[in-house]
Amino acid sequence: AQSVTQLDSHVSVSEGTPVLLRCNYSSSYSPSLFWYVQHPNKGLQLLLKYTSAATLVKGINGFEAEFKKSETSFHLTKPSAHMSDAAEYFCVVSILSWNYGGSQGNLIFGKGTKLSVKP
Amino acid sequence: GAGVSQSPSNKVTEKGKDVELRCDPISGHTALYWYRQRLGQGLEFLIYFQGNSAPDKSGLPSDRFSAERTGESVSTLTIQRTQQEDSAVYLCASSLGVRGSYNSPLHFGNGTRLTVT
Repeated sequence: AQSVTQLDSHVSVSEGTPVLLRCNYSSSYSPSLFWYVQHPNKGLQLLLKYTSAATLVKGINGFEAEFKKSETSFHLTKPSAHMSDAAEYFCVVSILSWNYGGSQGNLIFGKGTKLSVKP
Repeated sequence: GAGVSQSPSNKVTEKGKDVELRCDPISGHTALYWYRQRLGQGLEFLIYFQGNSAPDKSGLPSDRFSAERTGESVSTLTIQRTQQEDSAVYLCASSLGVRGSYNSPLHFGNGTRLTVT
């Protein structure tokens, strides 16, 4: 079965310190992986995506994520947190429809990690 | 270009009334999704449209919920006889879908915040 696990529901960091948001996935097939960010009272915005090209993916706002097949992980990192990074972050797996039966539009969302940034 | 547009942005309704939520996807996007997000929770899949294929309705929580989409354009989500537990933000997203390969990212609207009193 396919699944996505975001290991922390809430992460708190100080401004200027590194950010690590963890995501593990389970998939029988080669997935595409995404990170989305949701600021308060807004929809979700794409941060970055992995599609089997480079394993280290750079996204917007200084975020990056590394696909590690051996660890089935796709953790999101940023070297230095900014106050504006405070938001909720969602890890998403996309599966080829004909392998997954097309259910849920081929997307599986993690439950989200709320990032707080302290001054 | 315009992004995904949802209306209304806020809706307050009395328990038992019907509501209709609207989503205008990005032009050319064949895939359209509806999600529900309760306060402090993650996204709950509701329904998925892909072109002219039969929609995936597996996430609709009850027969009070229904959604329609005309071709590859506007979609409406209807909730009949609303209950207080229906209170949530309803998010719509669109993507290129199979036209752009299975790894096309989603583009989200800002959601409709529904409050049932």
